[in-house]
Amino acid sequence: DAKTTQPNSMESNEEEPVHLPCNHSTISGTDYIHWYRQLPSQGPEYVIHGLTSNVNNRMASLAIAEDRKSSTLILHRATLRDAAVYYCILRGAGGTSYGKLTFGQGTILTVHP
Amino acid sequence: KAGVTQTPRYLIKTRGQQVTLSCSPISGHRSVSWYQQTPGQGLQFLFEYFSETQRNKGNFPGRFSGRQFSNSRSEMNVSTLELGDSALYLCASSLAVVTDTQYFGPGTRLTVL
Repeated sequence: DAKTTQPNSMESNEEEPVHLPCNHSTISGTDYIHWYRQLPSQGPEYVIHGLTSNVNNRMASLAIAEDRKSSTLILHRATLRDAAVYYCILRGAGGTSYGKLTFGQGTILTVHP
Repeated sequence: KAGVTQTPRYLIKTRGQQVTLSCSPISGHRSVSWYQQTPGQGLQFLFEYFSETQRNKGNFPGRFSGRQFSNSRSEMNVSTLELGDSALYLCASSLAVVTDTQYFGPGTRLTVL
């Protein structure tokens, strides 16, 4: 599985935007970029995913570099409930990827009131 | 629509015993994946089942096994428990399409004494 690199931790203030970076220099052409987050004492939660174009949903935006070797998860206005571990995951199609998410260490996001 | 449910939520066993964990996926989801989460190793993929067949398997010993029933419910079994098997066991279900989102349950916290 192609690997991703994320900062160990980041901090933000409430109601400010947060940009969480992820490097994936060995990404293949068919790999989708997924983001999940895990709040304390809960299972991981899907946030967003994309292939080449930037994506928006009600939770966040995903900005993907033109060469696809990096991406950024954007939380437009952080709240205390966004404090979690954020995982950037590459997901291939089929074969050894069936049902498998390869989690790295993720980024611990701390949100200050 | 009800989310992924896992039973039991907490379990205490002693070394050498065996344990069975249960997972009920979201209605309509045919793929069920299992993960182990420990502080030292993070989230690791165990195996994935689709239509009662194991399609993918992580790097765990044969003591870890699973199965899926015709209604897509899945069970995971760990035999001859070891202290290192203490972990949070997470189940996730998905529609199993190329870019499928995985929906996680709350997990079963297993403690081996």
